[in-house]
Amino acid sequence: DAMVIQNPRYQVTQFGKPVTLSCSQTLNHNVMYWYQQKSSQAPKLLFHYYDKDFNNEADTPDNFQSRRPNTSFCFLDIRSPGLGDAAMYLCATSSHRESYEQYFGPGTRLTVT
Amino acid sequence: AQRVTQPEKLLSVFKGAPVELKCNYSYSGSPELFWYVQYSRQRLQLLLRHISRESIKGFTADLNKGETSFHLKKPFAQEEDSAMYYCALSFTYGSQGNLIFGKGTKLSVKP
Repeated sequence: DAMVIQNPRYQVTQFGKPVTLSCSQTLNHNVMYWYQQKSSQAPKLLFHYYDKDFNNEADTPDNFQSRRPNTSFCFLDIRSPGLGDAAMYLCATSSHRESYEQYFGPGTRLTVT
Repeated sequence: AQRVTQPEKLLSVFKGAPVELKCNYSYSGSPELFWYVQYSRQRLQLLLRHISRESIKGFTADLNKGETSFHLKKPFAQEEDSAMYYCALSFTYGSQGNLIFGKGTKLSVKP
C-alpha cells in the first residue's frame, strides 16, 4: 500500500542532544509537511516543502530544520532539543493531482529527558 | 489572524443519537474547510471537505459563511464513530493546502 512512513515511532533524546526524525512516502507526492502536536493541542505546521522549495512558518523556532534530499524522503532535525520540544511530530504529504488532500504518517513521539 | 475553534474538548452521546461537532473559524478571505478524523491507534485522515459536499460515513458538514461555522453532523451516531475529530482551514485556497487545525473534539459514542 502506498503510504507515509515515519521512523522511529518513539524517540527519546537528551536535553541539548541533536535528534533527527525521518519521513518517507511511496505516494510520489510533491508536497511534504512537518507538524508539531503537543498534548491536547492542535497540530501546528512547522514547515513544508513544495518540491524542493522550503517554506518555513514564521513562528517556527530556528532550532528546527528540515531536509528533503529527494521526493520520497524528508527529515526533521532538532539541533538542541529542549524540554518544551517534547511532542508528537507528524509528517504529511499532498499533491496537486489530489487537490492537496493531506495524507498523514503515524507520527513520532519525541521525549526529551 | 486565521483561527479555528472547536469549543468542545469532549462530546459523549449514546448510539443512535444525533451528533453535532462544532467548528467556528476566523478568516477574512474565502476559506476551504475540512474535517479530519483520528481513530484509536490510527493516523490522522481526511473525513470530508466542504467543496466536495459529500456525505462520508453518514457525516455531513455545511459551510455557513454568515456564522463562520462548519459544524459536522450525523443523524444517528454509531459506536465506530468514536474518535478524535479535527476541523481545519486552508487559507491558501487552491494552492498548497497549508492547514490550520482546531484543537479537536473527542467523540465518544456509548452503546
